[in-house]
Amino acid sequence: EPEVTQTPSHQVTQMGQEVILRCVPISNHLYFYWYRQILGQKVEFLVSFYNNEISEKSEIFDDQFSVERPDGSNFTLKIRSTKLEDSAMYFCASRTGGIKDEQYFGPGTRLTVT
Amino acid sequence: DAKTTQPNSMESNEEEPVHLPCNHSTISGTDYIHWYRQLPSQGPEYVIHGLTSNVNNRMASLAIAEDRKSSTLILHRATLRDAAVYYCILMYSGGSNYKLTFGKGTLLTVNP
Repeated sequence: EPEVTQTPSHQVTQMGQEVILRCVPISNHLYFYWYRQILGQKVEFLVSFYNNEISEKSEIFDDQFSVERPDGSNFTLKIRSTKLEDSAMYFCASRTGGIKDEQYFGPGTRLTVT
Repeated sequence: DAKTTQPNSMESNEEEPVHLPCNHSTISGTDYIHWYRQLPSQGPEYVIHGLTSNVNNRMASLAIAEDRKSSTLILHRATLRDAAVYYCILMYSGGSNYKLTFGKGTLLTVNP
């Protein structure tokens, strides 16, 4: 069964450093998402991406965040200057098209900012 | 997005049916009802969705009230692997991004 993969599984970084979280969505999917989950809290939507551009972003997704689909297979989330409060699980998801289509989530990357 | 209300937690015994309720009294006619679950230390996982009629798939059944103001996710025989947080999410069909707005969900504990 096809699956969304994410690397690394755990990333430790120092405050102020840049991090790039990588995702490989399912190959025939058209919509891509990033969500995050701070420990013990709800899963929060960050951004959706379609047709090589951001289609929607949340208030959390400020200028420190960016997304890219550099080569038609990878989907990346970059945080330019990490803060302590960016520590969370980051989940990538993808889906094919319509409202009836389920979102497939990756296993997540645990980001720890020290 | 319309709001849903779920119990914070529920408990079940292995191999017994589980009925997980969700209230969505402000649902609009164009909102689909989606259920996802999150097993410990994993990403969310799709379970089932419906609009008006009851739905069945290999994982679960979804019973939707006639007025659509509530729904119930039914796990016919709970296993230990079904222990997870279950999320009831309304999705507006008139949009396009179909982002998921997660609440706190219901933490299901399955006793052996």
